Amino acid sequence: QSALIQPASASGSPGQSITISCSGTNSDVGDSNSVSWYQVNPGKAPKLMIFNVINRPSGVSNRFAGSKSGNTASLIISSLQSEDEAEYYCCSFTSRSTLIFGGGTKLTVL
Amino acid sequence: QVQLQQSGPGLVKPSQTLSLTCAISGDSVSDNTAAWNWVRQSPSRGLEWLGRTYYRSKWKTDYAASVNSRIIINADASKNQFSLQLNSVTPEDTAVYYCARDPVWAHSALDVWGQGTMVTVSS
Repeated sequence: QSALIQPASASGSPGQSITISCSGTNSDVGDSNSVSWYQVNPGKAPKLMIFNVINRPSGVSNRFAGSKSGNTASLIISSLQSEDEAEYYCCSFTSRSTLIFGGGTKLTVL
Repeated sequence: QVQLQQSGPGLVKPSQTLSLTCAISGDSVSDNTAAWNWVRQSPSRGLEWLGRTYYRSKWKTDYAASVNSRIIINADASKNQFSLQLNSVTPEDTAVYYCARDPVWAHSALDVWGQGTMVTVSS
C-alpha cells in the first residue's frame, strides 16, 4: 500500500494561514474517521496535533485544525508562527486494520 | 503520566535481527484500552508504521505489508513492555525507530512516543 500523498513543501508568512492536504483512497482516508496529524522537529519524537480528523489533544494550540472531504484530509494552521516550522505527517487507519502515513510536508515560515 | 522507554542496540549487521524493547510506565500493556506500536523514520521514507500489538481478550497483532514477512511484535505483561524483532535486515532498514501508544479513545492516533533509537544496519 502506497503512502498517503502530501505536498513535499509548504510555506507562509507569519500571521498567514496555510493548508496541508493529505490524499488517500477509499480504503483509508475515505473509509475512516481515524485520520491524525503529527508535527516532527529534527531530533525529536513526533507530536500528535490532530486525531479523529478534527480533534485536538490537550495542550495543542487552537490555531491547528483538521478537516476531511472524501478521500482528502487537510491540516489548517492559522496565524502562522515561526515555531510552527517543522515537518507534518498525516496518518490514517486502513480497511486492513493497519496504519499508513503520508510522505510528509516540510513547512517553512518565511 | 504515561512514558515509554526504549532500549536496544544501535548497530546491527546485515542479514541479522534487529531487536528493540519498549518499557511502559503509567499504563499497562495488557489492558484493553490501548494498542502498542512501532514506527520508524528515515530521510528517504519519512515516517513508516511497522505494526502493533494489543490485548482484546487475547493478544492480537497487525503488521505493515512492507515488513509482514520479517516482523514480530510481542508483549510481556510481567515486565509491562513490548518488543520489536525485524529479521533479515538490510541497509534500507537503517532508521530511527520509535515505540508509541495508540489509546482506544484516539482511534488509531499515536499520543505518547518513546525517545527513539537510531539503528544503523552495517557490517
